[in-house]
Amino acid sequence: DQQVKQNSPSLSVQEGRISILNCDYTNSMFDYFLWYKKYPAEGPTFLISISSIKDKNEDGRFTVFLNKSAKHLSLHIVPSQPGDSAVYFCAAATGGDYKLSFGAGTTVTVRA
Amino acid sequence: DTGVSQNPRHKITKRGQNVTFRCDPISEHNRLYWYRQTLGQGPEFLTYFQNEAQLEKSRLLSDRFSAERPKGSFSTLEIQRTEQGDSAMYLCASSQANTIYFGEGSWLTVV
Repeated sequence: DQQVKQNSPSLSVQEGRISILNCDYTNSMFDYFLWYKKYPAEGPTFLISISSIKDKNEDGRFTVFLNKSAKHLSLHIVPSQPGDSAVYFCAAATGGDYKLSFGAGTTVTVRA
Repeated sequence: DTGVSQNPRHKITKRGQNVTFRCDPISEHNRLYWYRQTLGQGPEFLTYFQNEAQLEKSRLLSDRFSAERPKGSFSTLEIQRTEQGDSAMYLCASSQANTIYFGEGSWLTVV
């Protein structure tokens, strides 16, 4: 039972433009959401997170938006850079245990 | 380097053999997690510890899998009688508050 879904397996974007990654979840008990970036053969690297009491969180080039009524979140990367080419995972957790449920990932390719 | 450390990074083993992975979390992180990731999928939760107590185990963790965190510091994940379906990347993560940091993973190939 996939509780976190990333329906776009891949995204190609030109350098300097905006990358928008989407994530949907089904479990209304999720109250904390994270985005991770992963290069091949490496572990996930934490990018940004958001609590359910907020609808936006920004950190440098990364902004996460949360729409609780739609059970949807998105990650915006502006401007996109070649080093952003990687797999991006959306993850969600409930309560205080921070046991994460992950989506299947979106592969981002930034074109020069 | 004060990140989450895992070893070995790669392990190739014959079916039926036992393997053990070690995870050293970020110092003073009281929570430690194990996940498994296969190609094309996101990481899947296996188990987690708060200090030395194992608080939850996923149903993915069959009886052949055992994890320990004896002194609330490093942790080991042992897989007994490995099967080809165990081939995956095993990820360890640790947290103190609400940010979870992952190690670089241990690749297991069962032949």
